[in-house]
Amino acid sequence: KQEVTQIPAALSVPEGENLVLNCSFTDSAIYNLQWFRQDPGKGLTSLLLIQSSQREQTSGRLNASLDKSSGRSTLYIAASQPGDSATYLCAVRREGRRALTFGSGTRLQVQP
Amino acid sequence: GAVVSQHPSRVICKSGTSVKIECRSLDFQATTMFWYRQFPKKSLMLMATSNEGSKATYEQGVEKDKFLINHASLTLSTLTVTSAHPEDSSFYICSASIAGARSYNEQFFGPGTRLTVL
Repeated sequence: KQEVTQIPAALSVPEGENLVLNCSFTDSAIYNLQWFRQDPGKGLTSLLLIQSSQREQTSGRLNASLDKSSGRSTLYIAASQPGDSATYLCAVRREGRRALTFGSGTRLQVQP
Repeated sequence: GAVVSQHPSRVICKSGTSVKIECRSLDFQATTMFWYRQFPKKSLMLMATSNEGSKATYEQGVEKDKFLINHASLTLSTLTVTSAHPEDSSFYICSASIAGARSYNEQFFGPGTRLTVL
């Protein structure tokens, strides 16, 4: 059974800092990995999707990397802003399965 | 593009009543939709996979007679919580995959429905 773990569970940083969120998964037989953002009481916004054959994806100030063999992914946020405050969820899709398995998320607070 | 809507966004009901939640893909066809449940400060747990024109596939531990799923068209899936109890109170989120396109393997999520059972 696939298990996804995110560290840290919560993070508070001053505005402008670069930060890294970590995600690990137990079964390396994945099809892809997705990072999402969730604001309180809201749905999910897809940030980046990395196929199993890819090493990283970039979108603006966000960069996600994937090391499939070691079961790890990181989400790098450059020059953090108060508007980045949200919960960030990592989710993996196993090979042969279309649904996603989610981590428990990292709650990020960026202080102005 | 790839917008998924849910209705209602929030519902409060009495114990014993049934509640229907709709999930719609607004600008694409979705042969597969997924229903997730999220408890406060917890992650999303998959409840069931909904396939257009066929029966839903439920995850272990999810009662299919309690959580009725219907995927009658390529743009609509519904989740009905039957005989709701307070422990069914939760945040329900649906997602959809675009079939046959480059982004087939990416899921797009609805805004969620907050269910409160009194």
